[in-house]
Amino acid sequence: EDQVTQSPEALRLQEGESSSLNCSYTVSGLRGLFWYRQDPGKGPEFLFTLYSAGEEKEKERLKATLTKKESFLHITAPKPEDSATYLCAVQAPGQAGTALIFGKGTTLSVSS
Amino acid sequence: EPEVTQTPSHQVTQMGQEVILRCVPISNHLYFYWYRQILGQKVEFLVSFYNNEISEKSEIFDDQFSVERPDGSNFTLKIRSTKLEDSAMYFCASQPVRREAFFGQGTRLTVV
Repeated sequence: EDQVTQSPEALRLQEGESSSLNCSYTVSGLRGLFWYRQDPGKGPEFLFTLYSAGEEKEKERLKATLTKKESFLHITAPKPEDSATYLCAVQAPGQAGTALIFGKGTTLSVSS
Repeated sequence: EPEVTQTPSHQVTQMGQEVILRCVPISNHLYFYWYRQILGQKVEFLVSFYNNEISEKSEIFDDQFSVERPDGSNFTLKIRSTKLEDSAMYFCASQPVRREAFFGQGTRLTVV
């Protein structure tokens, strides 16, 4: 069964304290791995897509990396506005429009 | 920037009643989805829709659920006879070819 596990469940950081979030996955043939940000009571907001091991993508203070078994979301010098739940999702092979399988997310709190 | 629009933002209904959740996907997107998120749990796939028919559905999407794209712009999710356990945030998403899915802000459904 395809699965996505995220750790830690919750992370508290001081402003400027860099860290990483982990997403481990088991899927028979990865079509894509996605990172989304979700604010309380809101829908997921797209951050990155990674397709193959070794790929990296960056956006402001965030950098996502991918290996054959896991992905990391590195947060460099976070600010309070980075506080949110970060969701990892995988898409199994198949026709376009295949469902995303989500992890439970990591809730990040950044204090000033 | 185009966005996926969902209405209503919050719906309260009596157990056993029918509800229709509405979504306006981003125009020129081809794939449409419904996901749900029970409070404190992961985002779960319900159904995907392509070319005016269901392309994939999960075990959650039983005979009580149906989807429709009645007029080429709206995309609806109907729950025929709501149960207490249907209380959740329901997210609509749309996706163009070879890109990520865009999520709406969700409808909070409360069944009492």
